[in-house]
Order: sequence, then C-alpha cells, then structure tokens
Amino acid sequence: DVKVTQSSRYLVKRTGEKVFLECVQDMDHENMFWYRQDPGLGLRLIYFSYDVKMKEKGDIPEGYSVSREKKERFSLILESASTNQTSMYLCASSLTLGAYGYTFGSGTRLTVV
Amino acid sequence: ELKVEQNPLFLSMQEGKNYTIYCNYSTTSDRLYWYRQDPGKSLESLFVLLSNGAVKQEGRLMASLDTKARLSTLHITAAVHDLSATYFCAVLPGPLVFGKGTRLSVIA
Repeated sequence: DVKVTQSSRYLVKRTGEKVFLECVQDMDHENMFWYRQDPGLGLRLIYFSYDVKMKEKGDIPEGYSVSREKKERFSLILESASTNQTSMYLCASSLTLGAYGYTFGSGTRLTVV
Repeated sequence: ELKVEQNPLFLSMQEGKNYTIYCNYSTTSDRLYWYRQDPGKSLESLFVLLSNGAVKQEGRLMASLDTKARLSTLHITAAVHDLSATYFCAVLPGPLVFGKGTRLSVIA
C-alpha cells in the first residue's frame, strides 16, 4: 500500500512565523497535492505538483508556497503564518493526475496563535 | 469552474434505517470518487465510479453514477453506528474537486 506520511500531526505556531509542513510518499507517485480542510468548506486545493520542481496553483494559493525538490517529498510553506491559516492540512499523492484516486496522509492540524 | 454539491450536509439517522446522500457536479466527468473520514482522521477511499451506470457496493453502502444527470448517490442500507463519519464525493477532471462533505450520525 502507498503510504503518505506527514511529519507532524499537530503544530502550534505564532503569527508571523515561517512554517514548513512536510509530506513524503513512498510509491514513486508523480503527483502530489496539498489541501486544507475547514468545517463547512470541505477540502480546498492549495497547490499541486505533477513532477519534480513543477508546481501549479490550486484554488487558494494565497499566503502559501510549495517546494518539490525530490519526487517523494512535497513541502507546503507558510511564509508568514496568520491566524486565518489555522486549519487541517492534508497531503495526498496519486500515480496520475486523473486516472487513479488519491492516497491521503493523516493530516497536520495547524494552529496559529 | 467545476462545482460539486453534496446534500444533505448533516444527516442524523436511526440505526436500521435507509438513506441516500446525493452528489451533483457541474461539468462533464466520467470518474467520481467517494471517501470516508472518521473524526480526527484522514480520508479513506471507498469507491471509484468509472462510467455511466456504474454501481459499486461494499457492505451497507452502495454508490452509483449517472453521468448524464451529473449525479452520484451513496445509499446506506440498515444503518449501523459504525457508519457514523463524514462522507465526501470528489470529481475529476484535473485535481480532484471535493464536495463539502456529509456528516452522518447514526443513533440507536
């Protein structure tokens, strides 16, 4: 089974801090995704990547950036954390962009105070 | 812009009853996914529906897809407490677009 591992289950950061959320997958998947999940809003796509060093903006990229230096690792960066970025962050990977479903990590619950 | 709407968003049902969750989407797609999320946990894949008329069943859950109506249903038969969770549908093309989820609570 594909495993998608998110490095932190819970994080508490201060406003203005630079925050790194890490995600690693172990099945050589081409595509990786970052979603955030908020009550009543479902999952919203922040960024995705279909290859090393390639990235595409999703629906809500503002305030975020990403890095994919190696195929297995996709990092989400909050350049200057704000309280409205308090959320559950879910990383996912898939073999192709469309043909297969996604495998999700266990999520990182980020609180910005 | 692809939009995915689920209803109801909240569902409280008694054990043993049947109910259906609906998922409508706004543009053509021939592939639809259903996921389950338990409280505090990540998303678990339930079904992938690949073509018009597709039907998949697992235990007390049955999912179907009507691509012409742009509609998928998730039918729950004789609900049990273990089915309490949030259910999401998600649609292609491109990165998956998710509905807002249906929070199901099965009560005795």
